[in-house]
This record gives sequence, structure tokens and C-alpha cells, in this order.
Amino acid sequence: GDSVTQMEGPVTLSEEAFLTINCTYTATGYPSLFWYVQYPGEGLQLLLKATKADDKGSNKGFEATYRKETTSFHLEKGSVQVSDSAVYFCALEDSGGYQKVTFGIGTKLQVIP
Amino acid sequence: DARVTQTPRHKVTEMGQEVTMRCQPILGHNTVFWYRQTMMQGLELLAYFRNRAPLDDSGMPKDRFSAEMPDATLATLKIQPSEPRDSAVYFCASGLGTGGSGNTIYFGEGSWLTVV
Repeated sequence: GDSVTQMEGPVTLSEEAFLTINCTYTATGYPSLFWYVQYPGEGLQLLLKATKADDKGSNKGFEATYRKETTSFHLEKGSVQVSDSAVYFCALEDSGGYQKVTFGIGTKLQVIP
Repeated sequence: DARVTQTPRHKVTEMGQEVTMRCQPILGHNTVFWYRQTMMQGLELLAYFRNRAPLDDSGMPKDRFSAEMPDATLATLKIQPSEPRDSAVYFCASGLGTGGSGNTIYFGEGSWLTVV
């Protein structure tokens, strides 16, 4: 079945540092890929997405590129802020038209001033 | 602001008791998901529905869990009898499945369950 593997945290960075959170996937067909973010005490919310190979999703300074050849969708941000502290989930939606979404285990990011 | 509403937000119950969690999806959304979140397992898909019909509940322990959609505005997740290992945050999410790809799903704030 479909699966998502992402680096385990926690990741601790100083403010303004560069962020990379790795994500790789296993799926049949051509899934859509997502990053969701969860702030403390809240549900997940969409951060960015990409629906086909070589697409780049971006939002709030975060970026991720859909790499079919390496089955990856790594999340990056050039300069993190304390407000970016959250748990980040990589996810895929299967290509079977059923909108089944599978999530990775989540990576906790802590940004210190 | 359209949002997914879940009740209860917090529940503490004794082992063996029945627990029912309710979810009101965003109006017009045709796909509803139930996820369970724990530290050890992360987010696990328990079940999901399209147009109120169950599409996949393979992630749900069938002996004690059941999920239903009595109507388009209500989804329920029931645990009977509850056990301490069921302690987790249960999220409901909804989306508009258009048959295409890249559909965003919207999460509720979760039901925090503790079984003692």
C-alpha cells in the first residue's frame, strides 16, 4: 500500500536558520503530495501541495518540489521564525480517485530565538 | 468561516465504557475521514466515507470500533468497550472529492480521549 516516510524529529533550529525536512513516498500511479502543519492543540492545516512531477508548491516562505525520480517531496524554508514551531506532516493522496490520504509520522520543529 | 466541528473536545472515561465522538463536516463536502493520532503511531487512518458510504475502514479495529454517517451533516465514531490503549486524539476531516487530484482536506480540532 501507499506509504510516506519522513525524518523523525524533533528538529531544533535557531531563528533565521535554513530548514529541510525530508520526505519520501511509496505509491502506485501518480499521487498528489502535500505538507500539512499542526500547531499545538489544533488540527492539521494545509501548508502546500503539488499534483504532478516537477511541480513546486509554496506558501509562507516554505517550498517543496515533487521529484518523481527520487520519490521525494522535501520541505524547505530559507529562514525560519519562532512562529514556525509546529509539527509538519508529509502526505500523499492516492491516484485512484478516492481521495485517500496517507500521512507520515510528523516532524516536530522547534525554533529558538 | 466554514470548519469541521467535533464533539466532545475532551473526554475522560473508564475502561469498558462506550465512547461516541461526533463530527459535523463542512457543508457540501462529500468525503469524511476519521484519523487517530498517538505519539507512537502518528496519524492513522481509521475510516473514510464518500457520499456517506464507507470506502475503507481497514484501519479500524472492528471488534470495538464502528463508524457511521447517519446523514450528510453528521459522522460518528464509536468505541465499545473502550480500553486504555484507545487513549489518543481522534480527528475528523472533510474534503470535496472532485474525482481529480490534489484535494485539500480540512481537519477539526480533535477529540482528546483518555481511557483510565
